[in-house]
Amino acid sequence: DIQMTQSPSSLSTSVGDRVTITCRASQGISNYLAWFQQKPGKAPKSLIYAASSLQSGVPSKFSGSGSGTDFTLTISSLQPEDFATYYCQQYIGYPWTFGQGTKVEIK
Amino acid sequence: EVQLVESGGGLVKPGGSLRLSCAASGFSFRTYSMNWVRQAPGKGLEWVSSISSSSSYIYYADSVKGRFTISRDNAKNSLYLQMNSLRAEDTAVYYCARDQTPDYGMDVWGQGTTVTVSS
Repeated sequence: DIQMTQSPSSLSTSVGDRVTITCRASQGISNYLAWFQQKPGKAPKSLIYAASSLQSGVPSKFSGSGSGTDFTLTISSLQPEDFATYYCQQYIGYPWTFGQGTKVEIK
Repeated sequence: EVQLVESGGGLVKPGGSLRLSCAASGFSFRTYSMNWVRQAPGKGLEWVSSISSSSSYIYYADSVKGRFTISRDNAKNSLYLQMNSLRAEDTAVYYCARDQTPDYGMDVWGQGTTVTVSS
């Protein structure tokens, strides 16, 4: 199985800050990488697919990059509604696997 | 509006069975692959199972293989998950999610239904 490792597991940051979350795959996954945002008690929301493509309706402050084994999600100018947990997920092959999540909290 | 609505969750004893449903609306259900993903209390997301648009291809996580069965009824725009031999570790919120395309992964998620396995 492909292991997905996110870092950091959590971070405390302030409104207006720029945030970068890293996701590493245990083997190459080309660009078959998605990012999801989840708020407490809510379903995950798709942000990014194919490593760097923005889902329809997702604000451009979210961006994704990477290919192969190393990927990043960047949130520019964090706003109160962006405080949540973020997950990466590979879908190049079954079983699909998720990273453990990165909780973004208010400092 | 594209929408997925899960139902069928509840409290069940270890060894029991439960059938989850996911009703789809607002899109051509028969043309999309579908998935089940779960989240145990306080834990991360875990992929459970996937089914192709015509049910030709089905995949399961090792943790549920032999106990869970995914199926769909395209005439009823519905996805199902039959869960047998339930264990305490199956306790989770279960989400259904649509596959955009094989190259783009999941895009739309339902609100989830809660399954609790306890005596």
